[in-house]
Amino acid sequence: AQSVTQLDSQVPVFEEAPVELRCNYSSSVSVYLFWYVQYPNQGLQLLLKYLSGSTLVESINGFEAEFNKSQTSFHLRKPSVHISDTAEYFCAVSDPHAGGTSYGKLTFGQGTILTVHP
Amino acid sequence: NAGVTQTPKFRILKIGQSMTLQCTQDMNHNYMYWYRQDPGMGLKLIYYSVGAGITDKGEVPNGYNVSRSTTEDFPLRLELAAPSQTSVYFCASKLQGVHTEAFFGQGTRLTVV
Repeated sequence: AQSVTQLDSQVPVFEEAPVELRCNYSSSVSVYLFWYVQYPNQGLQLLLKYLSGSTLVESINGFEAEFNKSQTSFHLRKPSVHISDTAEYFCAVSDPHAGGTSYGKLTFGQGTILTVHP
Repeated sequence: NAGVTQTPKFRILKIGQSMTLQCTQDMNHNYMYWYRQDPGMGLKLIYYSVGAGITDKGEVPNGYNVSRSTTEDFPLRLELAAPSQTSVYFCASKLQGVHTEAFFGQGTRLTVV
């Protein structure tokens, strides 16, 4: 079974500072990787995803994540954060080789709460 | 677009009571999921469905039941509420495939006292 580990449960930073949220997954096969964001009192929404091709993927609001197969990591970064980036961030994995009804199922990490201070 | 709609948003139950959490989506998605979210634990999959009439257990199915009679609706039933079921519940849906985006509802915050 796949698992996803987010190494930091909480990350406090000051506005305009850079941030990295770490994510490692355990799988011996190729997987698809996702970052979801949950703003306070809301559901999750997709931030970005890696399926294939370039190992660096970007979101529309300045976040980027790099897929590193040898390290089995998919860390999320932003060079300069804003107060509005305060949210909980979830890394997730989907196994394209899973069979039956497991096909397409997402496995989530524990979440990282990013708090941006003024 | 309504997307994924969950009702109710909040509910307090007494131990032993039962209730149904409603989830409906208007995107014609085949796949639907129920998760529970507990602080520091991420999202745990309770049940999921890949189409009308097909459901399967996730990681934490005990104490819950589901049905999927239509593509749009995927209700989650708690038969005998227990304090351990105090949590925030999220319903999600997606198109068939491993690469497709999951769309989440706003969540139901349930407290069992």
